[in-house]
Amino acid sequence: AQRVTQPEKLLSVFKGAPVELKCNYSYSGSPELFWYVQYSRQRLQLLLRHISRESIKGFTADLNKGETSFHLKKPFAQEEDSAMYYCALLGGETDKLIFGTGTRLQVFP
Amino acid sequence: SAVISQKPSRDICQRGTSLTIQCQVDSQVTMMFWYRQQPGQSLTLIATANQGSEATYESGFVIDKFPISRPNLTFSTLTVSNMSPEDSSIYLCSVGDYYEQYFGPGTRLTVT
Repeated sequence: AQRVTQPEKLLSVFKGAPVELKCNYSYSGSPELFWYVQYSRQRLQLLLRHISRESIKGFTADLNKGETSFHLKKPFAQEEDSAMYYCALLGGETDKLIFGTGTRLQVFP
Repeated sequence: SAVISQKPSRDICQRGTSLTIQCQVDSQVTMMFWYRQQPGQSLTLIATANQGSEATYESGFVIDKFPISRPNLTFSTLTVSNMSPEDSSIYLCSVGDYYEQYFGPGTRLTVT
């Protein structure tokens, strides 16, 4: 079964510290993976997708097929990074987005 | 990008009643999606609504419980029928394709 797991419900760091939000997936084929973010009082929006191999707001995510992971990283967290982050998988069999339960990132000054 | 509005933003309803949620987009779109986010849970796709055809429902969701209309390329409604407390959730409308979706602000529904 296709599944996305985000093991941490809450991640708290201080400003300037490195951040890694974990995402593991279960899918037998070649997945397409995404990170969506929801800032306070804003709607859910796409942060980045692995096929673009992009860095958005200093965040990067590398697909590791051996570990079936797609962790989101940022070397120096900023207070404005505080938000809810969702990892999502686009599985070829069902052709729909499957979301993880989300991780709340809190960045303290 | 697309700007999406939803009505109502929140509601408190009694069990056994029905609520219709509206989703309006500022541009014509082919695919519209309805999601549910139960407390502490991830987003779960309810159905995909394409204009001119019946909505496609995901496993565990049925048309009698969640009827959907899609009268044109900018508008859709989702009705939550015969509500029970288990239907208390945030309901989200989104548009786009599977590679990028734009989400509405959500409708927070509480069933008492």
